[in-house]
Amino acid sequence: GENVEQHPSTLSVQEGDSAVIKCTYSDSASNYFPWYKQELGKGPQLIIDIRSNVGEKKDQRIAVTLNKTAKHFSLHITETQPEDSAVYFCAASKGGGADGLTFGKGTHLIIQP
Amino acid sequence: DAGVTQSPTHLIKTRGQQVTLRCSPKSGHDTVSWYQQALGQGPQFIFQYYEEEERQRGNFPDRFSGHQFPNYSSELNVNALLLGDSALYLCASSLRFINEQFFGPGTRLTVL
Repeated sequence: GENVEQHPSTLSVQEGDSAVIKCTYSDSASNYFPWYKQELGKGPQLIIDIRSNVGEKKDQRIAVTLNKTAKHFSLHITETQPEDSAVYFCAASKGGGADGLTFGKGTHLIIQP
Repeated sequence: DAGVTQSPTHLIKTRGQQVTLRCSPKSGHDTVSWYQQALGQGPQFIFQYYEEEERQRGNFPDRFSGHQFPNYSSELNVNALLLGDSALYLCASSLRFINEQFFGPGTRLTVL
């Protein structure tokens, strides 16, 4: 089955700096890669996703890149703010809406004031 | 527009007991997936329901079973509870053939 590795497990950055979280996946059939943000006591919130026919996608301060050949994808957050502090998860699936998501172990992002 | 709702919020059970968790999907969604999230880990896929049938299952034993009702809401049942079943149980809803899954707040299950 699919295996998703996520790094780093903890990331501390100064407010205003950029943060990058990286994930690799094992199943070449995977073609849908969402990112979730989870705050304490809440369920994961979908923040951005990318499909295998796209190399990069941007939404305001958040961007995701995908390298299908190398089987890795990354989340980039620019101009970080205190409210960006949370645990971020990457995930992968074969897409089509009929496949469960395989998650990484998460990255605890800490924004230092 | 109500998002995904789950009940109860918290639950405490003892080993060997049975538990039922409930989920109402986001308005307009017809597919429900269940995940188990242990402390400090990413969610793990349990199974997915569509048209009242289990369509896909992750690596979980038969003690975990589910049901989907005609109004698309769903239940997760766990029999013969073990200490290791203590976790946050998350429900996610989606529209069939559309990738995006939206999660509820979860049910925190503690097994003593």
